[in-house]
Amino acid sequence: QLQLRESGPGLVKPSETLSLTCTVSGDSLSRGAYYWGWIRQPPGKGLEWIGNIYNSRNTYYNPSLKSRVTISVDTSQNQFSLNLRSVTAADTAVYYCARGEGDFDSWGQGTLVTVSS
Amino acid sequence: DIQVTQSPFTLSASVGDRVTITCRASQNINNWLAWYQQKPGKAPKLLIYKASSLQSGVPSRFSGSGSGTEFTLTISSLQPDDLATYYCQQYNSYSFYSFGQGTKLEIK
Repeated sequence: QLQLRESGPGLVKPSETLSLTCTVSGDSLSRGAYYWGWIRQPPGKGLEWIGNIYNSRNTYYNPSLKSRVTISVDTSQNQFSLNLRSVTAADTAVYYCARGEGDFDSWGQGTLVTVSS
Repeated sequence: DIQVTQSPFTLSASVGDRVTITCRASQNINNWLAWYQQKPGKAPKLLIYKASSLQSGVPSRFSGSGSGTEFTLTISSLQPDDLATYYCQQYNSYSFYSFGQGTKLEIK
């Protein structure tokens, strides 16, 4: 059974880098069959697509975040990661990792990241 | 970039009602549209993909239709468990996805 789990600090200071990891079980990232993505949701607001990685190296980012975002894969750990640089309070959100082929058919439970000094 | 606009923002209906939510895309996305259900404190759950394909395990009272720029999600007979916020998502291009603003469904 496929499971995704996000992990990382729940509190990040302004101007620093937000780093999260998604650990995947029940599927192999090295198989290259799916897109693996990050989506976020500010408290009380809607969903925002951050970006995807495909085939361990092809990355696609939301233009509104592209200058600050990097998504990468560690196939040896079966994990993929999100780095978001120069964060502000506007980056406070629940961050989800997910698997898909366009649509996202499996999601992690989400992790709240608060940006505050 | 393609934007999607949902309506209504909120919807109140009674158990047994037929409910329809609309999603409009800013340009032609063929049938590359998904619908999700999100309950409070939970991750979104995929209901419909490719505009009208029912995800495995989703009750048959949920259906999707449309193509091009206009799409609908229909719940044929509303159940108490359907209390949630519903989102559409376009994925016409692998280089940019976008979600609608969400429709909060309340049970009268």
